Amino acid sequence: QVTLKESGPALVKPTQTLTLTCTFSGFSLSTSGMRVSWIRQPPGKALEWLARIDWDDDKFYSTSLKTRLTISKDTSKNQVVLTMTNMDPVDTATYYCARFNSGTDTLSPWGQGTLVTVSS
Amino acid sequence: DIVMTQTPLSLSVTPGQPASISCKSSQSLLHSDGRTYLYWYLQKPGQSPQLLIYEVSNRFSGVPDRFSGSGSGTDFTLKISRVEAEDVGVYYCMQCIQLPYSFGQGTKLEIK
Repeated sequence: QVTLKESGPALVKPTQTLTLTCTFSGFSLSTSGMRVSWIRQPPGKALEWLARIDWDDDKFYSTSLKTRLTISKDTSKNQVVLTMTNMDPVDTATYYCARFNSGTDTLSPWGQGTLVTVSS
Repeated sequence: DIVMTQTPLSLSVTPGQPASISCKSSQSLLHSDGRTYLYWYLQKPGQSPQLLIYEVSNRFSGVPDRFSGSGSGTDFTLKISRVEAEDVGVYYCMQCIQLPYSFGQGTKLEIK
């Protein structure tokens, strides 16, 4: 069974750097074809795709956020880490990670999400 | 970047009646490999999104056959043949033909 769970601070201050961790089980990111994406959702708003990391360490980012985002993986811990610099109140959102299934190019399953509030 | 546009943004449907959601992309989602990279996700209240349909018309495991997807190129439709109470939530289309990936604005389905 594949599961993913996001963790990180619930509250960050403006200008700070956010670090989120996606801990997963049921697959390995060292296996060819495996990929993990991050997606976020501001309260009451739509989903926004943020980033993807692949088994071979290829990385891809949202055009509007790529200067602020870094995605990385620790295959020994089954974790994917997303950092976002210079946080602003507009970055308040629930952040999700999801497995990106090669072959069907689907996001499934998703983690439960973690709400991050940016406020001084 | 590819822009995904959904209509309507909300709809209210009587149980047992059909529902339809449109999704249009700013570029064709048909790849040279013959696949069309259009997906539908449902976010039920208080839950994470879940995959409904992949590559336009393929229902994901466990998705009831009252859900169907159709379309080609830049125009796509999700149909629910007979809406049930458990279908409430926000439906999103998504494209994966080109990075960065992108979602539609979402369509909120409510039950009358």
